[in-house]
Amino acid sequence: AQSVSQHNHHVILSEAASLELGCNYSYGGTVNLFWYVQYPGQHLQLLLKYFSGDPLVKGIKGFEAEFIKSKFSFNLRKPSVQWSDTAEYFCAVSLFGNEKLTFGTGTRLTIIP
Amino acid sequence: NAGVTQTPKFQVLKTGQSMTLQCAQDMNHNSMYWYRQDPGMGLRLIYYSASEGTTDKGEVPNGYNVSRLNKREFSLRLESAAPSQTSVYFCASSEFRSSTDTQYFGPGTRLTVL
Repeated sequence: AQSVSQHNHHVILSEAASLELGCNYSYGGTVNLFWYVQYPGQHLQLLLKYFSGDPLVKGIKGFEAEFIKSKFSFNLRKPSVQWSDTAEYFCAVSLFGNEKLTFGTGTRLTIIP
Repeated sequence: NAGVTQTPKFQVLKTGQSMTLQCAQDMNHNSMYWYRQDPGMGLRLIYYSASEGTTDKGEVPNGYNVSRLNKREFSLRLESAAPSQTSVYFCASSEFRSSTDTQYFGPGTRLTVL
């Protein structure tokens, strides 16, 4: 079965710092990749997703992620974070043709004003 | 357009009690899912329903049953609650025309089993 690893459990940054959150998956076939965000007290919502084409994907709120197939990675980036980016971030993977998502354990991001 | 709604928002049960978590979506989606979220473990799929009338087990189905009542509603039942089922439960839905479809999540139910 596929698995998803998010090695950063809690990241603390100051406003305007650059952000990179790691995500690695273990599956050799064709995958679809997602980043979801959960703001405090809110439900999960999609930040961005990749399934084919340009490996650099842009999402909402200035986030982007790069799919590197050789490294089985899909890292999330933002050049300059804001206090409102404080949230928990989840990477998720589905196999091509299968709607089931496998989530990583999440990274809690705290932005200090 | 409410999206995905869940009831109740909070629930406290005693060990051995039963309850049903309700989920409804108004987006005419085909697929619906139940997840549990535990600290340090992310979201884990309990059951899902690819279409009305079908249900399948996910990663952690033991101790749960589900019913896809119609296209809109997908309920999760705990027949005999255990402390290990203390968690936050999320329902989600997707159109599922392809595996790239986005899943839309409800606000969650926080369940405590004493």
